[in-house]
Amino acid sequence: DAGITQSPRHKVTETGTPVTLRCHQTENHRYMYWYRQDPGHGLRLIHYSYGVKDTDKGEVSDGYSVSRSKTEDFLLTLESATSSQTSVYFCAIRTTGTYSYEQYFGPGTRLTVT
Amino acid sequence: AQTVTQSQPEMSVQEAETVTLSCTYDTSESDYYLFWYKQPPSRQMILVIRQEAYKQQNATENRFSVNFQKAAKSFSLKISDSQLGDAAMYFCAYRRNSGGYQKVTFGIGTKLQVIP
Repeated sequence: DAGITQSPRHKVTETGTPVTLRCHQTENHRYMYWYRQDPGHGLRLIHYSYGVKDTDKGEVSDGYSVSRSKTEDFLLTLESATSSQTSVYFCAIRTTGTYSYEQYFGPGTRLTVT
Repeated sequence: AQTVTQSQPEMSVQEAETVTLSCTYDTSESDYYLFWYKQPPSRQMILVIRQEAYKQQNATENRFSVNFQKAAKSFSLKISDSQLGDAAMYFCAYRRNSGGYQKVTFGIGTKLQVIP
């Protein structure tokens, strides 16, 4: 357990509405990530952060933005949700130490855009 | 670009038997990590086992072990004495060993069914 929580755990929203997903970690990890999981695609990186206010794009960043104003929180925003953004979203952190560079995941958020 | 291929969309195994899940990857790097993650129906992604490419010895974690063939770029997961709780999606993943941000590339997963 890497002390990662995600909220909400489930959300249903309508096309065109803004949505923000929150990832919270309690262990002061520098690196945080947002992935989406879709059948046939595995996990794909949306955005990542390497420190407060330091973020960068992943491979599927279109339609998403992120913010990190505190070490413990990493927010993912869908400015105007579309049906193609229906997915399961995972937050992850990267560890340091003995088994450095491993990623541990939060419990996921299932988002449905109708 | 690195790619990770899991060619078995679904597998099944009898309880108490052994099953092997396949994973191949493509990279030009020599120093990297490989991982297997388990995703049970709860959806939680759980790190099962890790392998450092510079280590020739295959990693083991209790009933889970890997067969790491660096030259063949193969990284299979063997589950011994399969249990009902092993039923899950299993994802193979690759990460280059370097400082700073390094992308983790995931395969598309293998769904394992355990038959009582």
